[in-house]
Amino acid sequence: DIQMTQSPSTLSASVGDRVTITCRASQSISSWLAWYQQKPGKAPKLLIYKASSLDSGVPSRFSGSGSGTEFTLTISSLQPDDFATYSCQQYNSYSWTFGQGTKVEIK
Amino acid sequence: EVQLVESGGGLVQPGGSLRLSCAASGFTFSSYWMSWVRQAPGKGLEWVANIKQDGSEKYYVDSVKGRFTISRDNAKNSLYLQMNSLRAEDTAVYYCARVPRRASIFHGMDVWGQGTTVTVSS
Repeated sequence: DIQMTQSPSTLSASVGDRVTITCRASQSISSWLAWYQQKPGKAPKLLIYKASSLDSGVPSRFSGSGSGTEFTLTISSLQPDDFATYSCQQYNSYSWTFGQGTKVEIK
Repeated sequence: EVQLVESGGGLVQPGGSLRLSCAASGFTFSSYWMSWVRQAPGKGLEWVANIKQDGSEKYYVDSVKGRFTISRDNAKNSLYLQMNSLRAEDTAVYYCARVPRRASIFHGMDVWGQGTTVTVSS
């Protein structure tokens, strides 16, 4: 199975900061990667699919990049609504896996 | 409004069974792959199972193979997860999710239900 490792596990940042989260796959997954945002007690929300495609309605301050085994999610200017947990997910095959999540908290 | 609503969660003893349901509305259910994803208390997300539009293909995470069965009824716009031989480690919030696929390429899971809680305990 493909393992997904996110770093950091927790990130402290301030409103307006540029934030970058990394996700590494244990083997190449081409561009078959999605990013989700989740707030406490709520369902995940799709932000990005195919590594860099923004889902409908997602603010342009979110961006994704990477291919193969290394991927990044960047928030260009952190907003109050962005404090949440972010998870990557690979869908290279029919057996999907998530990263362990990165919590973005207020500094 | 596009919506998924899960039901069927609850408290069950180890070794017991439970059937989760997910009612879809606001979109053409039969056109989409569907998934179940779970989240144990305080843990990350874990993909559980996928099912193709017509039910002809099903895929599972190794930890539930042989115990869980995903199914769907397109006439009822409903997705199901039959869970047998439940273990304490199956305790989680279970979400159903829509999986768009265009030109044979998946596009993540774009619509999620609110989740239903399954607790396996004696």
